Amino acid sequence: DAKTTQPTSMDCAEGRAANLPCNHSTISGNEYVYWYRQIHSQGPQYIIHGLKNNETNEMASLIITEDRKSSTLILPHATLRDTAVYYCIVRVRGSSNTGKLIFGQGTTLQVKP
Amino acid sequence: GAVVSQHPSRVICKSGTSVKIECRSLDFQATTMFWYRQFPKQSLMLMATSNEGSKATYEQGVEKDKFLINHASLTLSTLTVTSAHPEDSSFYICSAISGETYEQYFGPGTRLTVT
Repeated sequence: DAKTTQPTSMDCAEGRAANLPCNHSTISGNEYVYWYRQIHSQGPQYIIHGLKNNETNEMASLIITEDRKSSTLILPHATLRDTAVYYCIVRVRGSSNTGKLIFGQGTTLQVKP
Repeated sequence: GAVVSQHPSRVICKSGTSVKIECRSLDFQATTMFWYRQFPKQSLMLMATSNEGSKATYEQGVEKDKFLINHASLTLSTLTVTSAHPEDSSFYICSAISGETYEQYFGPGTRLTVT
């Protein structure tokens, strides 16, 4: 799987949008971009994924650049409960064994009141 | 959404004993499960890939004789830490891939403390 690069930490004011960037310049054509987050002492929680089109769900939006070398996760109205480590991972989807998720260091998002 | 459970959530054992951790997919069948380990303030490290009915595939540097993995059914995988030592104290997390959606879902984790 391709590696990703994320900032180590970010702060965001409560109620504001949190924009978390991720670089994946060596992504392959069949690799999806996945975002998970991990709140302290819990298992990772799935947020969103996409291939090349922008995606939106009830939790967040995912913006993928046209060349697919980077993406941004957007939490539109961050709350204190969104404080967590956010992981951007690229993964081949549809194949169990090669679809394993390899976690980098992620971005620690601190939402402040 | 799909639910993965782990049991126990916390366990304390004495050095030299073995401890078993269960990972179950509650509402879907999982042909593949994964086991991760996470030390404090570090990211998740993949330990092994577990396929139903076959031997697990271990990542480089993970001792297969120390971390025994059994995936006996499409909803259950177990990780047994044998002859545990204090350095094995960690947060162990499993995940499972749905055979229908190919998405991966994580369990809540098991905190192991070896005294």
